[in-house]
Parts: sequence; C-alpha cells; structure tokens
Amino acid sequence: GDSVTQTEGQVTVSESKSLIINCTYSTTSIAYPNLFWYVRYPGEGLQLLLKVITAGQKGSSRGFEATYNKETTSFHLQKASVQESDSAVYYCALGRNNNNAPRFGAGTKLTVKP
Amino acid sequence: DMKVTQMPRYLIKRMGENVLLECGQDMSHETMYWYRQDPGLGLQLIYISYDVDSNSEGDIPKGYRVSRKKREHFSLILDSAKTNQTSVYFCATQQGNTEVFFGKGTRLTVV
Repeated sequence: GDSVTQTEGQVTVSESKSLIINCTYSTTSIAYPNLFWYVRYPGEGLQLLLKVITAGQKGSSRGFEATYNKETTSFHLQKASVQESDSAVYYCALGRNNNNAPRFGAGTKLTVKP
Repeated sequence: DMKVTQMPRYLIKRMGENVLLECGQDMSHETMYWYRQDPGLGLQLIYISYDVDSNSEGDIPKGYRVSRKKREHFSLILDSAKTNQTSVYFCATQQGNTEVFFGKGTRLTVV
C-alpha cells in the first residue's frame, strides 16, 4: 500500500536558524503521486502549506520549500530562517489516487525557541 | 468562505455511551473523510464518503459507523464507546485530487 514516513516526531530550532523536516513516501498504486505539506497551528485544523504535482519541481510558500525527488522518493521541507510563529505540527501527505484517500505522515512538531 | 465545521470541539463520555460527532461543509465537495489522530501515528483514516449514502471503510473502521444523508453533512457514530477510542477526530473534505480542507477537530475522551 501507500505510506508516508516522517522520521522526526519533534524538532526544536532556535529562531533565525535553518530547518529541514524529512519526508519519504512509498507508493505501489501510482508512479508519480501529488505531494503535499500541511501545517496545523494550535487549536486549528490542518491547512495546506504547499503542494507539488510534477516530479522534479519545487514548491514554496511562506518561506518554506520542498522539492519532489522521484529518485529518492523524498519531499523534505526546508526553511532558511525560522520564526517563532512557525511553531506548529507539519504533515507530509501523498495525494489521493483513484478513489483512495490521501495518506498522511505522523507529523513533526516544530518548536522555535526565541 | 470555505469552511469545515466540527461539533462539538471537546467531549467527555463514559465507556459504553453512544457518541455522535458532526461535521458540516459549505463547499459542496463530494468527498468527505473522518480521520483520527493519535500521538506518533499520524492521521488514520476511519471512513471515506464519496457522496450521499456512498460510504466506504477506511483503515480502522471497527467500532465506528457513519451517516451521510446530505452532501454538506457527515456524521461519525460510536456505538458503545471504548477507552481506546479516546483521540482527536478530524473531518475533512476534498473535490477531486485538490487541496483537502480540514475541520478544527474534536477531542474525545472516553472514561
């Protein structure tokens, strides 16, 4: 089946430092799935951060970037300089295929220290 | 305004009681989902609904059932709640393979 792996459950970074959150995926149902990053701020539901639907392309939003790497089946999330307001839980997701539901990683809780 | 509304936001129930979680959307999306979120496990799919009265089991349907009588409304029912159903439940909607819209979640505690 399809799955998404986020290796870090929690990450703590000092303000203005760089960030990388790892995401790898596995799919047996489609060669090039759509890939997404969602973010959940405290007390809120998940909301779309960025998406990439073409292998090899980069998506970006609010200073975050992620590149769709089909060779390593990865979609790591990066930011050059984090802010306290970036503290949230970040979820990597595999887009739906046919009538399946999107698949989500376990989430990575980012805490940015002032 | 695109909105998914979940009610209630917080709920405490005793083991064996029935639980009704409600979800509404104002986007007329065909597809709706119920997920639960547990620490370290990510979002686990309970049920998917393709439209009115067209529902399918997800990965963890045991102990749950759903009802969708109107496109904009999707309910999750727990008949005789168990302590291991303590979790945060998210409702979500989607049209095609575009962005998924989530509600704010319902935190259910079964004691």
